[in-house]
Order: sequence, then structure tokens, then C-alpha cells
Amino acid sequence: DTGVSQDPRHKITKRGQNVTFRCDPISEHNRLYWYRQTLGQGPEFLTYFQNEAQLEKSRLLSDRFSAERPKGSFSTLEIQRTEQGDSAMYLCAIERRSSYEQYFGPGTRLTVT
Amino acid sequence: ELKVEQNPLFLSMQEGKNYTIYCNYSTTSDRLYWYRQDPGKSLESLFVLLSNGAVKQEGRLMASLDTKARLSTLHITAAVHDLSATYFCAGRNYGGSQGNLIFGKGTKLSVKP
Repeated sequence: DTGVSQDPRHKITKRGQNVTFRCDPISEHNRLYWYRQTLGQGPEFLTYFQNEAQLEKSRLLSDRFSAERPKGSFSTLEIQRTEQGDSAMYLCAIERRSSYEQYFGPGTRLTVT
Repeated sequence: ELKVEQNPLFLSMQEGKNYTIYCNYSTTSDRLYWYRQDPGKSLESLFVLLSNGAVKQEGRLMASLDTKARLSTLHITAAVHDLSATYFCAGRNYGGSQGNLIFGKGTKLSVKP
């Protein structure tokens, strides 16, 4: 158990639809990150939060992507007007200050048809 | 910006043999991470290396860090089939407050009987 849950685990959507993913950090942490991983590649950073503040966004995060973290609890990642190129695994990770480690959730696999 | 390169990208080993995966990074990174990923799954944290000369071992895996050479290695001793997976190294994006990880492309390890 990494202390992070994500929902849904799989999502199939048609091009042009909007989708929203949720990340619930279960255990103590100081930062929450979103990454995207495409087939055969390592994860790529999208954005991160410290408490409820979104402190950094990657250039990968186009205007169609938005992330929120109301009250510093769970986080959501929304993709509007999905494109086939958005098909990927979306990973949420938490960083624990005490151990410096980043722990990843199980991920949400998105398929855009 | 930090760049991380792993080699080899593919590694086919026989059970019982030893081998090393190399991870080079381009600029200063104050932490070096190793993760394991099984097909269709998320990333499992293996090691975090925090300082020059750091060495950590868990079972048949040993990771080390040479910050002067900007090199980390993951050594596999007497490989067994259960070690078959993709292994990623990642550096922490330094020189900012992000703390996001920059990953290599991964080394796909296949251990054959």
C-alpha cells in the first residue's frame, strides 16, 4: 500500500468528451504530483500541489487540462475535449517529507477512441 | 533542465547471472530514485539515494550513487525470474521548488530460466 488511491482505474472515452480523474492521498505527505506515462516511456511531470496550492505546471499541461485540490485533500485532473494523443496512464504521487520518497498510486489508464 | 539516460534499454538475462543497469544524469540532482514497474501496473519505489557514495541493498538488488560522475547503478545479483520488470531511474528536478522527478526511459529486464 503506497498511501495513494486513484479512481477510476480504467476509463474509455470517445474523442471530444471530457474526463475527470481523482486521486486520494491516504497517508501523511507534503506534496501531491500528477504524472502521465505513455507506452514505453517513463512518467512525465504534469503538475503538483502543496496543500491546496498548485505551485507548478508543466508545458505538457495544455489549456485542455486542469487540476484542482480543494482544501488540500483529494485532487482531480480534468481533461476537456479529449484527443487520441491523451491516451496514457495518469499517475498520482505523494511525497513524504520524512523519507524523501515519492509514492505512486495505481494510476488511471485512459483510452481515447 | 535535468536529463536522465539509462542503459541498456532492454536486457535479457539468464537466471543466476549478475548484471548492472546504468543511469547517467546531466546536471545536479540532489536525489536519485529507482523504481520497478510490472506490466500494466504502477511504479514501486525501490531506493532513494541522497548523497555521494550512497549504497542501498534490498535482496538481490543494490543501488549506488556517484554524484561526481553523475552516475547511479542498479546491480542485480544472481537474477531470478521474479525480477523481470521494467526498472526506471529518476532524478529530482533541481534549482526550483518543483521537486518533480525526471525519469529515464526505463530498462526492460527479462530473466529467463
